[in-house]
Amino acid sequence: EDQVTQSPEALRLQEGESSSLNCSYTVSGLRGLFWYRQDPGKGPEFLFTLYSAGEEKEKERLKATLTKKESFLHITAPKPEDSATYLCAVLEKTSYDKVIFGPGTSLSVIP
Amino acid sequence: DVKVTQSSRYLVKRTGEKVFLECVQDMDHENMFWYRQDPGLGLRLIYFSYDVKMKEKGDIPEGYSVSREKKERFSLILESASTNQTSMYLCASTPLGEVYEQYFGPGTRLTVT
Repeated sequence: EDQVTQSPEALRLQEGESSSLNCSYTVSGLRGLFWYRQDPGKGPEFLFTLYSAGEEKEKERLKATLTKKESFLHITAPKPEDSATYLCAVLEKTSYDKVIFGPGTSLSVIP
Repeated sequence: DVKVTQSSRYLVKRTGEKVFLECVQDMDHENMFWYRQDPGLGLRLIYFSYDVKMKEKGDIPEGYSVSREKKERFSLILESASTNQTSMYLCASTPLGEVYEQYFGPGTRLTVT
């Protein structure tokens, strides 16, 4: 069964304490992997798309990487405003524009 | 900027009522999606549409129907609301074909009492 899992479920960091979030997926073939940020009570906001193993994307303090079975979202020197839920989603090759979302990682950055 | 709007941010309905949730996008996207989001379960696809009057069932279509009479508008209908349909409902859109990110609306938090 195709699925997407994320770990940890929740993460508390001190401001400036770097860490990584994990997204593992099992699909028959990957067309793309997406990272989103979601603030409480709002819709997800797009961050990155990764297409193939070895690819990396960066935006401010965030860096996303992709291997054949998982993706990491690295957060360098986080600030309190980085607190949010981070969602991973995959689009598989046999799918007609239908993505599978992971359950998310809730990140709290403490000042 | 792509904008996806949803008709209500918060909605309270009674069990058995018929509920309409509307979504409008202004970027001429072909694909539109309805999800529900529940704690610990993530986003689950209810229905999607890739063209006017076209619809496809997602993972959890039971108890829901949809309507797409115009390209920019995608409606989710709860025929007879039940308490287990209390949830956050999110609409999204993308262009057709290539690997595009989804653009989400702000969500509607529906409570069925």
